[in-house]
Amino acid sequence: AAGVIQSPRHLIKEKRETATLKCYPIPRHDTVYWYQQGPGQDPQFLISFYEKMQSDKGSIPDRFSAQQFSDYHSELNMSSLELGDSALYFCASSSRGTSFYNEQFFGPGTRLTVL
Amino acid sequence: AQKITQTQPGMFVQEKEAVTLDCTYDTSDPSYGLFWYKQPSSGEMIFLIYQGSYDQQNATEGRYSLNFQKARKSANLVISASQLGDSAMYFCAMREADNQGGKLIFGQGTELSVKP
Repeated sequence: AAGVIQSPRHLIKEKRETATLKCYPIPRHDTVYWYQQGPGQDPQFLISFYEKMQSDKGSIPDRFSAQQFSDYHSELNMSSLELGDSALYFCASSSRGTSFYNEQFFGPGTRLTVL
Repeated sequence: AQKITQTQPGMFVQEKEAVTLDCTYDTSDPSYGLFWYKQPSSGEMIFLIYQGSYDQQNATEGRYSLNFQKARKSANLVISASQLGDSAMYFCAMREADNQGGKLIFGQGTELSVKP
């Protein structure tokens, strides 16, 4: 079965550089979520999109922006990178449907290291 | 305020024994869902089990079961017959119904080590 695809899997950047993380949700999933997991931390919600519109926003820095495209893939753009941005970035997708239970399927994550 | 609390930073269990990982939560929303995820050292997040707030019976998925005590606001994960491959970080997470976006709020995690 198709899973959530994230690219790249690993990314190394210098401080003040920019980075773009990509997420390809499971086919026919209409919702995409982005989470940030710092070293030894639990995942923290950043932002989500439903049918290409932003549906919720968490503790996402102003230096970050994201969007969902017509083919439902999503990109997380990060500018002026700081050392503290080093983390594992997860994308998850789900199908909202009518059931309250909508399991979020997580991608393998992109490990960003800022030097 | 932390809405999901996992009070056990680390747990050890002997292979083939059962282990319970604790999770308590706080919400004023009568409708919510509780999830458990496993995160091996490789980093991926693997869904294990789900419990809805209105579910009458405790959820079970193979060797995983959820001890749901609504009045106590606890949703403990029970792993029976532990295997070496169960060694990983385990996260409890919650989604509230009034959160239309559907985001998950995670606990701090419990690192489980299975000893041979």
